[in-house]
Amino acid sequence: EDQVTQSPEALRLQEGESSSLNCSYTVSGLRGLFWYRQDPGKGPEFLFTLYSAGEEKEKERLKATLTKKESFLHITAPKPEDSATYLCAVQDGNTDKLIFGTGTRLQVFP
Amino acid sequence: DAEITQSPRHKITETGRQVTLACHQTWNHNNMFWYRQDLGHGLRLIHYSYGVQDTNKGEVSDGYSVSRSNTEDLPLTLESAASSQTSVYFCASSPGQGIEKLFFGSGTQLSVL
Repeated sequence: EDQVTQSPEALRLQEGESSSLNCSYTVSGLRGLFWYRQDPGKGPEFLFTLYSAGEEKEKERLKATLTKKESFLHITAPKPEDSATYLCAVQDGNTDKLIFGTGTRLQVFP
Repeated sequence: DAEITQSPRHKITETGRQVTLACHQTWNHNNMFWYRQDLGHGLRLIHYSYGVQDTNKGEVSDGYSVSRSNTEDLPLTLESAASSQTSVYFCASSPGQGIEKLFFGSGTQLSVL
């Protein structure tokens, strides 16, 4: 069964304290892995798509990486404005089904 | 600027009533989706459409229906609202074949009392 697990559920960081969020997945054939950012009271906002193991994408302080079993979202020197919930989603290449994880709620304190 | 809008933002209704949530996008995207978001669950797909007159059931479609009469709109109808349908509902769209990145609306908070 397709499954996406994100950890930790919540993460509190001091401004400037780098860390990583994890997304582990089980899918019969990976078509793509997606990262979204969701602010309170808003819909998810697209960040990255990764398609194959070894691929990396960067945007400002965020860097996403992909292996055959998991993806990491690395946050370098975070700022308070990076506080949000980060969602991971995996698309099954056989069914086209998109499965979302439950997210990691990140809080960055000044 | 192109966008995707949902209305209403908040809705309170009673058990058994019919409710329709609106979704309108101005990107001219072929694909549109409805998701619900609940604590402890990832976003779950209710219904989706790949074009006008095309509708498909998602993983949690019981008690919901959609219709696609034009490219811009995909209204979601709860035929007879139940307390289990209290949730935040998100509409999303994408331009091409299959699923690429999704563009989400701001959501509708629905409470069924």
